Amino acid sequence: QSALTQPPSASGSPGQSVTISCTGTSSDVGGYNYVSWYQHHPGKAPKLVIYEVSKRPSGVPDRFSGSKSGNTASLTVSGLQAEDEAAYYCSSYTGSNSPYVVFGGGTKLTVL
Amino acid sequence: EVQLVESGGDLVQPGGSLRLSCAASGFTFSDYWMGWVRQDSGKGLEWVANIKQDGSEKYYVDSVKGRFTISRDNAKNSVYLQMNSLRAEDTAVYYCARVYLATFHYWGQGTLVTVSS
Repeated sequence: QSALTQPPSASGSPGQSVTISCTGTSSDVGGYNYVSWYQHHPGKAPKLVIYEVSKRPSGVPDRFSGSKSGNTASLTVSGLQAEDEAAYYCSSYTGSNSPYVVFGGGTKLTVL
Repeated sequence: EVQLVESGGDLVQPGGSLRLSCAASGFTFSDYWMGWVRQDSGKGLEWVANIKQDGSEKYYVDSVKGRFTISRDNAKNSVYLQMNSLRAEDTAVYYCARVYLATFHYWGQGTLVTVSS
């Protein structure tokens, strides 16, 4: 059982927006602004798309945005494109050295 | 361009040992914490271990404490994971990652470790 809760699947048509939630507790998501989101295509290296709740690494399209309210963080992908189809994982700092970071179980995003 | 290339994954019997390596390039390796994250059978991710820039601090998830050891060689731009007393539940793809402020900014493509008799 993953420490953070994500829906197992999400979907949307090209051009639409999809939001993926990530629910933790006040000891992780709710307690720190170190929530990250990773995109993972099968067989490839995971890729950071959002860090520190809402910051985007250089090179990540502004179609990807992040937010947090209480113990729940969210990733929104706007203007869905076929290449956005992937698994998305959230993570959060725990304030501890072990575990240092906890992950969500992942959400498979399907572009219809 | 930042590159992380893992190697060393293999099929090993329960109770056996394995050493994973990760070769880094494209950045000043000695400036960053490094870590290992694993993924079990395409399921969720699990943080395994982190090591500080000079190797003076190391942290592990409870399930591997006493069995796994993370180390690094800044002269070789490499980080390692020595895995002893391997169990079936250690079967996973192991990713090397560059760490900064609780974020894994860059990842390798992973190396598969299978623990089975």
